[in-house]
Amino acid sequence: AQSVAQPEDQVNVAEGNPLTVKCTYSVSGNPYLFWYVQYPNRGLQFLLKYITGDNLVKGSYGFEAEFNKSQTSFHLKKPSALVSDSALYFCAVRDNTGFQKLVFGTGTRLLVSP
Amino acid sequence: DTAVSQTPKYLVTQMGNDKSIKCEQNLGHDTMYWYKQDSKKFLKIMFSYNNKELIINETVPNRFSPKSPDKAHLNLHINSLELGDSAVYFCASSQLAGANTGELFFGEGSRLTVL
Repeated sequence: AQSVAQPEDQVNVAEGNPLTVKCTYSVSGNPYLFWYVQYPNRGLQFLLKYITGDNLVKGSYGFEAEFNKSQTSFHLKKPSALVSDSALYFCAVRDNTGFQKLVFGTGTRLLVSP
Repeated sequence: DTAVSQTPKYLVTQMGNDKSIKCEQNLGHDTMYWYKQDSKKFLKIMFSYNNKELIINETVPNRFSPKSPDKAHLNLHINSLELGDSAVYFCASSQLAGANTGELFFGEGSRLTVL
C-alpha cells in the first residue's frame, strides 16, 4: 500500500529563514506526490504536486518541493519563511487504484516566529 | 462563491442520535469525497463517489451512509452516533482525469461533537 511519513510533528523557524518540511514516501510504481496546507479551522488547500518531469516542483505562495527518488523523499521548502506560513502541512500520495484516493501523512505543524 | 460548501459547520448532538452533513460543489467536478480528521489531525478517507457511483468505501462502520443525488452533491448520514464519531468531517471534490489530476478541493469542514 502507498504511504507517506512526516517525521516531524512540528518545525520552528524564524521569519526570513529558509524552511524545510520533510516527507518520505513508500509506493509501488511511479509516485504521485502532493503537499497540502491547512490553516486553523479551514479545509486543506492544494500547494503543489509531483507527477513526472523536473524533480523541483514549484507551487503556491512561493513553496517548492524536491522529489528525490533515491532517498524516496519529497521535502517541502521555501527560501524565506513568513509568519503567515504558520499552518499544518500535509504530504500525500495518490493510491495506485486509479480512483485518486489520496493517502495523507500525519501532518507537520510549521511555526514561523517574528 | 464557495467552491465546496458543507453544512452545518458545527454540530453538537447526543449519543444515539442520527445526523446528516451535506456537501455541494460548484466546480463541475465528477468526483467527491468524505474525509474524517480526528483530534490528532490525522486525515483518513471514508468514501468517494464518481458521477454518483460509489468508488471508494473504506473500512467504515455501516452506521455511516453516503448518498450522492447528483455529481455536485454528496451527503453523509450517520446513524446511532457514538462518542468516537466526534471529529471534523471534510468534503472534497476533484476531476478524475486531466491536467489537475489529484488536486482535491476541500470544504471548510463540519465539526461534529457527540456528547
